[in-house]
This record gives sequence, C-alpha cells and structure tokens, in this order.
Amino acid sequence: SQTIHQWPATLVQPVGSPLSLECTVEGTSNPNLYWYRQAAGRGLQLLFYSVGIGQISSEVPQNLSASRPQDRQFILSSKKLLLSDSGFYLCAWSRLLRTGDSPLHFGNGTRLTVT
Amino acid sequence: GQQVMQIPQYQHVQEGEDFTTYCNSSTTLSNIQWYKQRPGGHPVFLIQLVKSGEVKKQKRLTFQFGEAKKNSSLHITATQTTDVGTYFCALKGGSNYKLTFGKGTLLTVNP
Repeated sequence: SQTIHQWPATLVQPVGSPLSLECTVEGTSNPNLYWYRQAAGRGLQLLFYSVGIGQISSEVPQNLSASRPQDRQFILSSKKLLLSDSGFYLCAWSRLLRTGDSPLHFGNGTRLTVT
Repeated sequence: GQQVMQIPQYQHVQEGEDFTTYCNSSTTLSNIQWYKQRPGGHPVFLIQLVKSGEVKKQKRLTFQFGEAKKNSSLHITATQTTDVGTYFCALKGGSNYKLTFGKGTLLTVNP
C-alpha cells in the first residue's frame, strides 16, 4: 500500500532563518506531488506541484521554493523565513496524470510557526 | 481562474440534527471531490462525483452533483460527534494537474 511521510510535525523558526520540509511517498512510482499551505483558518492554498523529477510548477509568487530530487521525494525550502510563512504545510500525492480524476492523499502536515 | 464558493463557513448543530454544505462553481465542472479534515488533522478524501445529477451515499453522508455540474452538496443525516471537522469541496483548477479547494465548512456538533 502507498504511504506518505512528512516531517517534521511541528517547527518553530525565527524570522530570517532557512527552512527545509521533506516529504516522501512509498509504494507508488511517478506520483504527482503537491505542497499546500493552510493558514490560520481553513483554506488550502496550492503552493507547488510536480509531475516528475526536476519538474516544479509554482502557483503563488512567494518566499518559498520546491525541489524534487528523486521520484518520490518532494522538498519545500526557504532561504529566509517571514512571519507570514507561518501555517500548516501539507504534502500530497496523486496517482494519475490528471488530478481531477484521482484523489489527493495528504501527509500529516507540518505546523510551522515563525517567530 | 477557477472560482469555487462553499457555504456556509461555519455550522453548529446539536447531535442528531442534519447538516448540509454547498459548493458552487462559476464554470461547468468535469468532476468534484469532497474531503474531510478533522481538527488538527489532514484532509482525507471522501468521494468523487462525475456524472450530472449523480447522488452517492456513504452511510449517513449523501453527496449530490447538480444537473448542470456547477454545484454540489454534502448532507449528513443525524449528525454525531464524530462528524466534527471541516468539509471541503475540490475541483479541477486551471490545469489538469491541480485541484482548487473551497474554503471549507467547519462543522461542530454539540453532544
């Protein structure tokens, strides 16, 4: 069966510090991978998605970047965190090429607080 | 871009009462998905609707896709405390590779 791992679960970082969140998927190959952010309320904002190694699409201009160095590994990074980067970061994967036809499977998320 | 409106934002009910959340799109949809997020948890896929007028049931949950495929609803009969959480609809966004989520409806249930 497929599993998605995301870590750390919680993180407190000072403003201006770097960030690296990692997500890995097991049990499937060539998944579509996603980073979502959920800030203080409930809406899910798509940050990045990737359909293959080295292929990253950015949805929102921001202080963050993403990379996919391996097929089942997705990394979210920042060189200098801002207070506004605080939130709940969720990694997700889907199996098929068209996500509208395939559900998203989310990791447990990382709660990031920038102080 | 794809616009999706979900109402209400919040709903508080007594245990045993019914609950409905609605999702409306500005454009005709190919399909729509529903997710549930428990407090402190991550969204979990519930169901996908594809056909015009489609109705699907999962125990006390009834999902409906509008005839024009521009709206959808999730109805819970006789809510229980385990139904607490935020319910999201999600639909295909500007490309084939991403979903646009509604803002969600937060359901609280008073025992």
